[in-house]
Amino acid sequence: KAGVTQTPRYLIKTRGQQVTLSCSPISGHRSVSWYQQTPGQGLQFLFEYFSETQRNKGNFPGRFSGRQFSNSRSEMNVSTLELGDSALYLCASSQGRPNTGELFFGEGSRLTVL
Amino acid sequence: TQLLEQSPQFLSIQEGENLTVYCNSSSVFSSLQWYRQEPGEGPVLLVTVVTGGEVKKLKRLTFQFGDARKDSSLHITAAQPGDTGLYLCAGANFGNEKLTFGTGTRLTIIP
Repeated sequence: KAGVTQTPRYLIKTRGQQVTLSCSPISGHRSVSWYQQTPGQGLQFLFEYFSETQRNKGNFPGRFSGRQFSNSRSEMNVSTLELGDSALYLCASSQGRPNTGELFFGEGSRLTVL
Repeated sequence: TQLLEQSPQFLSIQEGENLTVYCNSSSVFSSLQWYRQEPGEGPVLLVTVVTGGEVKKLKRLTFQFGDARKDSSLHITAAQPGDTGLYLCAGANFGNEKLTFGTGTRLTIIP
């Protein structure tokens, strides 16, 4: 069974640009969560989608947005990039509800903002 | 805001030694998970504990959930180099789809 796939794995952007990250969940998983991981703040929850609906959102500015498609694939977008957005962005899928089931993480997309 | 503090933040010990990592919060969680993350990879679930006072064993790893469901510990017996990694606890609550992750413990086992 294929795992969670995130693309791209690495990318470099400059301040003010925007970026779109993609996540393909494990087949059959309908919930996709996004997390930002930095050395200083650890893993911070961004948002969670289920059946194309955002069910929960973390405390990030509106520059961070996401969506989920009918095939459960998800994208997140960050507009007007800032230096502080440099981080590892992790996507996780789950079969049931994330708060009771197992989260399966992808390898992440490492974003560097210059 | 729920916070999970892990201690120690960094731990470096010799192969064969025992160690304990702690995960503490002032908030109650309905369940708590432990993950291990290796460089260049995403976190991988080790265990989920649900009941206050619950103890789960996974080979040389023993996980305990506090009676009040506010804290947890991970004990590793006879640590091996393969145990090296970032250990993360994560708390969950019913009706809330997000996990609150702990600050992490970076463990290095020296051969």
